Amino acid sequence: DSGVTQTPKHLITATGQRVTLRCSPRSGDLSVYWYQQSLDQGLQFLIQYYNGEERAKGNILERFSAQQFPDLHSELNLSSLELGDSALYFCASSVNPAYEQYFGPGTRLTVT
Amino acid sequence: SQQGEEDPQALSIQEGENATMNCSYKTSINNLQWYRQNSGRGLVHLILIRSNEREKHSGRLRVTLDTSKKSSSLLITASRAADTASYFCAPQGTDKLIFGTGTRLQVFP
Repeated sequence: DSGVTQTPKHLITATGQRVTLRCSPRSGDLSVYWYQQSLDQGLQFLIQYYNGEERAKGNILERFSAQQFPDLHSELNLSSLELGDSALYFCASSVNPAYEQYFGPGTRLTVT
Repeated sequence: SQQGEEDPQALSIQEGENATMNCSYKTSINNLQWYRQNSGRGLVHLILIRSNEREKHSGRLRVTLDTSKKSSSLLITASRAADTASYFCAPQGTDKLIFGTGTRLQVFP
């Protein structure tokens, strides 16, 4: 158990819908990262937050947004969902950006 | 790019044998990290080696780093069936980690 929790574990929804994925980092970790993993794209970095501020952006679509709240939990919002958004979404946390990351168990999103 | 590229893409060995995976990258780094992923699960951090280190050990794992060649290797000694997983290297320059496509290791009992 990494100490990073993600909810929900599974999510099945239809195209065009909007979903919110939630992540609670390990106690004491200030950095939160979001990744998308699909069979054809591998593990893609989406976005990083540090102590509530956006720190780095990767291949995150405009339909996706995220934020980190004052209690350090983070949410990833995915809107206007498409079939291609079906993937595993991982959250990770670290004490600061120069240290190792601890991954949550992931949220499996299926868009039908 | 900062992305690590693992080689080989896939590796099959018998229990008890050693497994070696390589990683190459293109930019200067502060550290390089190795992670393991069992199918469908979150990545697990294995080792972080800093740019001023050449070798690091953790149990049956040995990681080397050659910054002049921009390469790293992960050696798993006396492999076990439970080592079956995908292994990723992640060079870190500033903040974000960019993962490669990984090496899929299969260890047969």
